[in-house]
Amino acid sequence: ETGVTQTPRHLVMGMTNKKSLKCEQHLGHNAMYWYKQSAKKPLELMFVYSLEERVENNSVPSRFSPECPNSSHLFLHLHTLQPEDSALYLCASSQDWAGQGNNEQFFGPGTRLTVL
Amino acid sequence: TQLLEQSPQFLSIQEGENLTVYCNSSSVFSSLQWYRQEPGEGPVLLVTVVTGGEVKKLKRLTFQFGDARKDSSLHITAAQTGDTGLYLCGARAAGNKLTFGGGTRVLVKP
Repeated sequence: ETGVTQTPRHLVMGMTNKKSLKCEQHLGHNAMYWYKQSAKKPLELMFVYSLEERVENNSVPSRFSPECPNSSHLFLHLHTLQPEDSALYLCASSQDWAGQGNNEQFFGPGTRLTVL
Repeated sequence: TQLLEQSPQFLSIQEGENLTVYCNSSSVFSSLQWYRQEPGEGPVLLVTVVTGGEVKKLKRLTFQFGDARKDSSLHITAAQTGDTGLYLCGARAAGNKLTFGGGTRVLVKP
């Protein structure tokens, strides 16, 4: 596997379910990100991890809980979601977070989440 | 209010035609990136521009960063059906946070 992978690619869940999204990067990067992409809205940055420490949390509801056990893996734990949370959830990674050079972000294919 | 405004929101053209999409802001950015996203996939980086007035070419794609580093344009010459996708600009301002525009959806018809 190369680049950034995400599983599952599609997820349908009820509002009372608990599920997790997984992201893995094979690029040796130090920073990982979760984004939400909804129809007709810009990409919204949710969380940033640098060297396994959370460095940014953009007013995301507590029903979304990130976890970064090591620099290659990032999870997004979901519980008690609402229908408006249905979106494409994208994971990305970059070499560093702290503004070194361009810090190009490499995105995974995303998880298409539908909350019923 | 979006920090980055992309226009137009949607563009439909015939194969072989030229097109330009824009990314504008009132803020100054240290760098700006263009991505293309195809259905069912994540955004793929096309180019990064960092110097005011910079012009970069990638085959039939020409990217320009405004002199004041507040805006950028992407011009595609002789568009092909493979150019169809959502074009996103992302820019990095103070604090190193990458902010994205709403995107321009481009459809190139055969």
